[in-house]
Amino acid sequence: KTQVEQSPQSLVVRQGENCVLQCNYSVTPDNHLRWFKQDTGKGLVSLTVLVDQKDKTSNGRYSATLDKDAKHSTLHITATLLDDTATYICVVGDRGSALGRLHFGAGTQLIVIP
Amino acid sequence: EAAVTQSPRNKVAVTGGKVTLSCNQTNNHNNMYWYRQDTGHGLRLIHYSYGAGSTEKGDIPDGYKASRPSQENFSLILELATPSQTSVYFCASGERSKNTEVFFGKGTRLTVV
Repeated sequence: KTQVEQSPQSLVVRQGENCVLQCNYSVTPDNHLRWFKQDTGKGLVSLTVLVDQKDKTSNGRYSATLDKDAKHSTLHITATLLDDTATYICVVGDRGSALGRLHFGAGTQLIVIP
Repeated sequence: EAAVTQSPRNKVAVTGGKVTLSCNQTNNHNNMYWYRQDTGHGLRLIHYSYGAGSTEKGDIPDGYKASRPSQENFSLILELATPSQTSVYFCASGERSKNTEVFFGKGTRLTVV
């Protein structure tokens, strides 16, 4: 059973608009949650990591929230650019140690059009 | 800057042939991982390693072997490649820290015909 569910599967927005990506998970324990950006044919690049029970982070136009009670995270992208076109992947780490495992969502494909 | 380098970036192999995917990291990380990515699936863990000389089975190890001859290098070996192993393979390295930082290579696209 998939332990990390992302929605929507795909999303099309116009340049300059804002968007919100969702991540729900059932991983236990949930040590941390990380959002990655994957450009087509490229590797994964970390955008942000959330650690606390109720956490918020901000990294330029990207901001994220985590609620471990609800096992839910959001990634907000403001004023989208064409270069934001990519797949965004939610990853939950079940431990913070070398024994920790990463649980990957299937990703949300974001397409930004002019 | 953290770096994980995979080679080759693209590979076409014949069914039954042997394939070796290589990964090199300059981050001095203890942990290294091999994943495969298929459409509609999240990345799935094939093998991982805690350090030189160690290899551990991940979630989908069947048909794959791994080798960690040094801190820097981690290889994924397909002794008898099959078309079902056609995929994009990612190597990653990580450190034992609270947030388990991890860095990914750019991927290897393997096609088995």
